[in-house]
Amino acid sequence: GAGVSQSPSNKVTEKGKDVELRCDPISGHTALYWYRQSLGQGLEFLIYFQGNSAPDKSGLPSDRFSAERTGGSVSTLTIQRTQQEDSAVYLCASSLARGRLGEQYFGPGTRLTVT
Amino acid sequence: SQQGEEDPQALSIQEGENATMNCSYKTSINNLQWYRQNSGRGLVHLILIRSNEREKHSGRLRVTLDTSKKSSSLLITASRAADTASYFCATSRGVGANSKLTFGKGITLSVRP
Repeated sequence: GAGVSQSPSNKVTEKGKDVELRCDPISGHTALYWYRQSLGQGLEFLIYFQGNSAPDKSGLPSDRFSAERTGGSVSTLTIQRTQQEDSAVYLCASSLARGRLGEQYFGPGTRLTVT
Repeated sequence: SQQGEEDPQALSIQEGENATMNCSYKTSINNLQWYRQNSGRGLVHLILIRSNEREKHSGRLRVTLDTSKKSSSLLITASRAADTASYFCATSRGVGANSKLTFGKGITLSVRP
């Protein structure tokens, strides 16, 4: 596709339920990032994937959060036993590993609301 | 933790005026980037400046970087109503796992027509 896509665009879930958020990066981008933006906060890094290397999970806030990237392309962020504080916009970004250093292309985000 | 701290937190100007936004950071960086966000959704990359650069231009944008002061500024000249958005600075420490971005909390820019 032309850009990074994410689904769903909005998700409302009850506290305690599990949710899955999907990200389709730009074709050919080997680096993929998840960020979270909470109300009144800046963007927080969650997890980074690069090719077949082990992901950098240092930003995941708890063990309820996990992510995988299948086939080096699509990524899924899973939040188990959701809590109200998980309510946020979850943004995915991708970039080229080489070439133009640093520029990340963001998707439109998934707005998660935990009731 | 937040790396970048932008100021002001909010800025309101008249169309045609220049808008200057500042960002400070705490640790060493490989590059600093500015992003724009409309309506709380996806971010759009505006400009990237490397740690060995001092100034960069892109259209109506001018960004400066002072690594000795760990600060950057973004200047938007001849602002337009369409420039109304939130602006974030973000720093990166390099490649691989260091390529992850650390963002500030953002500046809300309002351009009055």
